[in-house]
Amino acid sequence: NAGVTQTPKFRILKIGQSMTLQCAQDMNHNYMYWYRQDPGMGLKLIYYSVGAGITDKGEVPNGYNVSRSTTEDFPLRLELAAPSQTSVYFCASSSDRGGYNSPLHFGNGTRLTVT
Amino acid sequence: GQQVMQIPQYQHVQEGEDFTTYCNSSTTLSNIQWYKQRPGGHPVFLIQLVKSGEVKKQKRLTFQFGEAKKNSSLHITATQTTDVGTYFCAVDSSNTGKLIFGQGTTLQVKP
Repeated sequence: NAGVTQTPKFRILKIGQSMTLQCAQDMNHNYMYWYRQDPGMGLKLIYYSVGAGITDKGEVPNGYNVSRSTTEDFPLRLELAAPSQTSVYFCASSSDRGGYNSPLHFGNGTRLTVT
Repeated sequence: GQQVMQIPQYQHVQEGEDFTTYCNSSTTLSNIQWYKQRPGGHPVFLIQLVKSGEVKKQKRLTFQFGEAKKNSSLHITATQTTDVGTYFCAVDSSNTGKLIFGQGTTLQVKP
């Protein structure tokens, strides 16, 4: 199993450009998450999904969109990139809660710079 | 919204000294998770605590969940340079799968 795969690893965007960060998992996990981590800071939840067709906002959803058409994929869309979106983006997945949270499996991250 | 405070933000220790980080919630938690992130890496799951007053050990690491299930701690005995990294707690107070991370405690160990 590859686990959680994020692409690209690095990207530089100009202000106003758009892009999609890809995330795929092969563990048949229902729960998927997008976090951002600014330099020297903690992880902030952007969006999460509890299953295909279901998404919900996290702590910092503004400026982002997500979709979950399949169990495996959870892409994150930036429509109008701004310098404030310069960050490292982590995708994560977990199995069904079963009454309590299951451990998150993280991808290796996408380092995004907006200039 | 859910508030989880983690202290301290940074800790510098001499190799061999002990280290403790604390995670405090404003609400009662059903469970709490701990993660470690090495510099330049991604967070890696360490442990989950579920029961009130629960204590779990992993070699030199001791994790504790408070009796009221509003706080937790991670204690490292006799730190080593391999312990360097940032330690995060994560909670889901709404039991909806919305997992929120604390700000993290970054540990530096001087050899």
